Amino acid sequence: AQKVTQAQTEISVVEKEDVTLDCVYETRDTTYYLFWYKQPPSGELVFLIRRNSFDEQNEISGRYSWNFQKSTSSFNFTITASQVVDSAVYFCALFNTNAGKSTFGDGTTLTVKP
Amino acid sequence: GAGVSQSPSNKVTEKGKDVELRCDPISGHTALYWYRQSLGQGLEFLIYFQGNSAPDKSGLPSDRFSAERTGGSVSTLTIQRTQQEDSAVYLCASSLGPAGGQDEQFFGPGTRLTVL
Repeated sequence: AQKVTQAQTEISVVEKEDVTLDCVYETRDTTYYLFWYKQPPSGELVFLIRRNSFDEQNEISGRYSWNFQKSTSSFNFTITASQVVDSAVYFCALFNTNAGKSTFGDGTTLTVKP
Repeated sequence: GAGVSQSPSNKVTEKGKDVELRCDPISGHTALYWYRQSLGQGLEFLIYFQGNSAPDKSGLPSDRFSAERTGGSVSTLTIQRTQQEDSAVYLCASSLGPAGGQDEQFFGPGTRLTVL
């Protein structure tokens, strides 16, 4: 069985603060893919980033950065200098290459106040 | 359009009626997924198709739920004898490569189902 845990249900920050969204996963597979998706108030999920289980290189894209640590089964997402437009629900997901099943966390609702 | 489309966008039905939800994936995408998202909740995985085949139907909540995909394209999710607990947003996604692989899933706007 596989599982994705996003322990932070809701986070509220003031604009320009940095914020980290935590994601911890469980899987028995050695090959898998981790994703982050954003669901803005409009409702449609938007892909942010993908990582495969063999690539632990951290990535930075503008104000977004991701820290993948296989040793702790974590794939955390940091937004630097947050903006009001970052307010959304963020989902971490695990894709199982053997079974095709996708497992999403329960999401973290981020509110960025002006 | 180039994205995943779903119809209807909203469906209100009476308890006990059957409903059919439709998903048109991105052209050429081989894998298709159905999820359910209850109000304020995460995504509950229901079923995936690789081509027209659904290898694992264990995610469907009950035997009132069924899904099919034809021509490697359009998929329908059917809920028979709807219950109030079926009320949710049903999301469809598609991906280019094999299900569960490295390709990101592109999501449709969802169908909001309300069972009265």
